[in-house]
Amino acid sequence: QLVESGGGLVQPGGSLRLSCAASGFTVSANAMNWVRQAPGKGLEWVSVIYGGANTYYADSVKGRFTISRDNSKNTLYLQMNSLRVEDTAVYYCARAPANWFDSWGQGTLVTVSS
Amino acid sequence: EIVMTQSPATLSVSPGERATLSCRASQSVGSYLAWYQQKPGQSPRLLIYGASTRATGFPARFTGSGSGTEFTLTISSLQSEDFAVYYCQQYNNWPLTFGGGTKVEIK
Repeated sequence: QLVESGGGLVQPGGSLRLSCAASGFTVSANAMNWVRQAPGKGLEWVSVIYGGANTYYADSVKGRFTISRDNSKNTLYLQMNSLRVEDTAVYYCARAPANWFDSWGQGTLVTVSS
Repeated sequence: EIVMTQSPATLSVSPGERATLSCRASQSVGSYLAWYQQKPGQSPRLLIYGASTRATGFPARFTGSGSGTEFTLTISSLQSEDFAVYYCQQYNNWPLTFGGGTKVEIK
């Protein structure tokens, strides 16, 4: 099970940190991702952290977002800086055993607006 | 970046009828193709991976086929619980990319 938290309303240029608490499996042994969905739109992959701690980002967030994890808490994070209006979306964490997503959280809404 | 194009955007089908959804990749993705089902207010749910392997919990009326650049999701006899949005996703190349989705609605 994956449970996200940390979403909310933030002004453009602001920061927010999302959390995703996992249960039933070990975050550090899996490829963990963030996927977002703008209101009424489709899905967009954002970032991944592999078991070996390698990380990758979509070009749209590279340099602004940082994915990380806390193995002791079995929790995934997404630090989002320099937020833009176009970052407004529901953010899902998802496990990806082979780059397809077999387990998803319920999502947390991030709204970037002045 | 590989662009995934789904068609049609909306498919109106009567319960019990067959639904055929298409997904096209801008370049070959081999069999590295997944399908997801998303119902209103819910998270996406893995339906198919490896282009044709059904995920746990989905019945045999869901069939995935294709390879390379052309893929199809077929729902042989639509049930009420199948009305949803379906997304395809390629995982052959970075970045991972999704199609825009096909909404299957009741006719």
